[in-house]
This record gives sequence, C-alpha cells and structure tokens, in this order.
Amino acid sequence: DTGVSQNPRHKITKRGQNVTFRCDPISEHNRLYWYRQTLGQGPEFLTYFQNEAQLEKSRLLSDRFSAERPKGSFSTLEIQRTEQGDSAMYLCASSLGSGGEDTQYFGPGTRLTVL
Amino acid sequence: ELKVEQNPLFLSMQEGKNYTIYCNYSTTSDRLYWYRQDPGKSLESLFVLLSNGAVKQEGRLMASLDTKARLSTLHITAAVHDLSATYFCAVDITGGATNKLIFGTGTLLAVQP
Repeated sequence: DTGVSQNPRHKITKRGQNVTFRCDPISEHNRLYWYRQTLGQGPEFLTYFQNEAQLEKSRLLSDRFSAERPKGSFSTLEIQRTEQGDSAMYLCASSLGSGGEDTQYFGPGTRLTVL
Repeated sequence: ELKVEQNPLFLSMQEGKNYTIYCNYSTTSDRLYWYRQDPGKSLESLFVLLSNGAVKQEGRLMASLDTKARLSTLHITAAVHDLSATYFCAVDITGGATNKLIFGTGTLLAVQP
C-alpha cells in the first residue's frame, strides 16, 4: 500500500498521560499536514511541514501539542498531559507541494479516546 | 476569517433522484476541493477545482465552481445507495502548493432504496 499510513489506529489513554502518533506520508510527498476531527464536524487544521520545516501552526495547537518531522519523511504528533477534550480523530495528510491541482491525500486516522 | 458553509447538512434522497449540495465560502479562494468520508473512515479526494467556471465529473457526481459568487456545487445524478457518505468541501486560500484546508461542516447523504 503506497498511501498515507498512521499508527496506532486507536488509542485509549487516561487523562494526564502523554500520547504519540506517527504518520508516514506518500513517499515522494514534500508536504505533511495534521488535522483534528471531532464527531459531526469537518477536519480542523493543526499544523503542516514542508520537508522537515514546520511552516504553520494553528491556534488549536496548544503548548501541550508538539509535532516533528525530523528527516522530512515520517512525522510524529505528541500530546502531553491529555485532557478529555483532546478526544478526537487525528488525521494526517500529505501532498506533493506543487501548484495547480496539488491535492492532500489523507491517512486512515488515529482515534484518540481520553478517559 | 475564512468561513466555509455547506447546505444542506443532511440529505435523505431516494435512489434514482437528482440533488445538489452547495458550498459557500467567505473569501477569495485559489482552490476548492470535494472529499468523501464513509463512516469511521478517512477522507477520499473527489475533485479539485481551480478556476471560475471549472466543471468536473466522475460517474454520478459533478462539481462546479463559481469564484465570483464564491460558490461550489456538487450535483448527484440518479443517486445509488453506494453514494451514501458525508461529503465535505474544503477551501485553500494560498497560492502555489496547497497549504491548510478550511473544511465545511459536511453534508451527510443517505440514499434510500
């Protein structure tokens, strides 16, 4: 499968614990994006990378959230001291980073439940 | 702040019927996307529209863009049950490579036999 992959697919944690998610983009894609989606809503942008550089962060990304893409390939999203409000689907997407019909392709997501 | 609104939010339709989903956005856009999401699944790219008057069709779905009206439509022709899903439009307001997408709230489509 050459699409975007995410691990784990599901994560249940207790409030106050730290969690880390991984995203592997499509191999030739330069840009990588993180979104969060809650039930009944559209995805909300969190942050994106051009290669290893993090170019934009949403106000939704509080100081408990950190994302990295150390070698410009896979990315990790860490949430520290989780809260019940962090429960959501975390989606990763990647794109070529070209103009024109540049399209973001989404992974299957990681569903986080904070108890 | 860019706002993207879809209507209707929920659409129940019978097989064989036609209908249109509307997507309005509040500021100039470089690109408009349509995605499909099945329950519990991720998003599947359907269309990307770049310019005023752009029209794309795939099977029973046709998308169009009117940049002057800041309106995109997704038209469903002769609906079948397999089209049941949530459809999102998303707007990219940056030039060049795609940046962040601002999504609408989605339209849940239920096609009844």
